[in-house]
Amino acid sequence: EVQLVESGGGLVKPGGSLKLSCAASGFTFSSYAMSWVRQTPEKRLEWVATISSGGSYTYYPDSVKGRFTISRDNAKNTLYLQMSSLRSEDTAMYYCARLGGYGNYDAMDYWGQGTSVTVSS
Amino acid sequence: DIVLTQSPATLSVTPGDSVSLSCRASQSISNNLHWYQQKSHESPRLLIKYASQSISGIPSRFSGSGSGTDFTLSINSVETEDFGMYFCQQSNSWPHTFGAGTKLELK
Repeated sequence: EVQLVESGGGLVKPGGSLKLSCAASGFTFSSYAMSWVRQTPEKRLEWVATISSGGSYTYYPDSVKGRFTISRDNAKNTLYLQMSSLRSEDTAMYYCARLGGYGNYDAMDYWGQGTSVTVSS
Repeated sequence: DIVLTQSPATLSVTPGDSVSLSCRASQSISNNLHWYQQKSHESPRLLIKYASQSISGIPSRFSGSGSGTDFTLSINSVETEDFGMYFCQQSNSWPHTFGAGTKLELK
């Protein structure tokens, strides 16, 4: 059974940093591209980052580029999101998601339960 | 960026109704359009990928159609478990974007 379990969320002050983790199990982690997606308090879904299966390629929207870094440790079956220079608009539930077998452009076929990030003074 | 416009924002239906949800892209995205369902207090779940490809484990009453800029998610005979939010997402070009969602609610 595919499982994705996020952790690391919490309350952080504006300008602060936080590192999220996503532990994967039930599939060959190193064979799949992975993404982070967030859901705002208004319930909008926003794509945050994608990393290729081997970790060589990463993609970000302009809203987080230069502030967020996606990475993975295929030996530990774990995905990460390092977030810095956090802003109030980064407040959201953060989900990790697996992309299907067609790589970086595929649909997100499995999602974790999410970890909540609140940016507030 | 490609903007996805979903309509209607809210759809009030009775169990047994058949419905269509629309997702329109601001430019052509071929068939690189996916649909997700999100029930209250749950994570999103993939329903349809590449506009019309079915997903294992998803009931056959869900189907998708369209290409280019206009896409439709159809639910044939809505069941009570289908109420919730529906989002479309494009993976044709970066940044990958989501629509604002359609809320399917009980009339």
